[in-house]
Amino acid sequence: AQSVTQPDIHITVSEGASLELRCNYSYGATPYLFWYVQSPGQGLQLLLKYFSGDTLVQGIKGFEAEFKRSQSSFNLRKPSVHWSDAAEYFCAVGDNNNDMRFGAGTRLTVKP
Amino acid sequence: DTEVTQTPKHLVMGMTNKKSLKCEQHMGHRAMYWYKQKAKKPPELMFVYSYEKLSINESVPSRFSPECPNSSLLNLHLHALQPEDSALYLCASSRIAGGGLAKNIQYFGAGTRLSVL
Repeated sequence: AQSVTQPDIHITVSEGASLELRCNYSYGATPYLFWYVQSPGQGLQLLLKYFSGDTLVQGIKGFEAEFKRSQSSFNLRKPSVHWSDAAEYFCAVGDNNNDMRFGAGTRLTVKP
Repeated sequence: DTEVTQTPKHLVMGMTNKKSLKCEQHMGHRAMYWYKQKAKKPPELMFVYSYEKLSINESVPSRFSPECPNSSLLNLHLHALQPEDSALYLCASSRIAGGGLAKNIQYFGAGTRLSVL
């Protein structure tokens, strides 16, 4: 079965600074990879996804992620963080049977 | 429109109560999901419905009873819950269920925050 590891439980960055959130997955076949964001008390919003093709994917809100098969990683990046980006970020891996597994999440704090 | 609507937003119930959570989508999705999310934890899959039939039950206790009366609606019936069942319950839907190159994207509702007293 697939699994996801997000090594960083909590990250703090200054507003305007760049951001990288790490995600490593374990799956035998080509994975379907996702990044979701969750604001406090809210549902999950899809930021971006990777299924195949170009390994650098663009998402909403200025986020991008790069799929690196050799490193089993799918790290999320943003060049300049805004205060409104403070939230919980979940990486997830899915398969053909709609079985999606989430990482433990990374909480992002943005300092003014 | 990528909206999944969940009602109620908040629910407080006693351990002897019976209540239901409701989820609705009008995107024509034929797969619908229930997740449970405890504070500061990731969502955990509970149930999956594909074409209105239960396809995955992740060993959820019988005090949680899902129902999919039609392709747009998903309910979760609650009975004799325990305080440890207090959590955010998330509903999601996706375009395709199972098989082939299913490029599934799950769209989530805002959740129902459940407190069991």
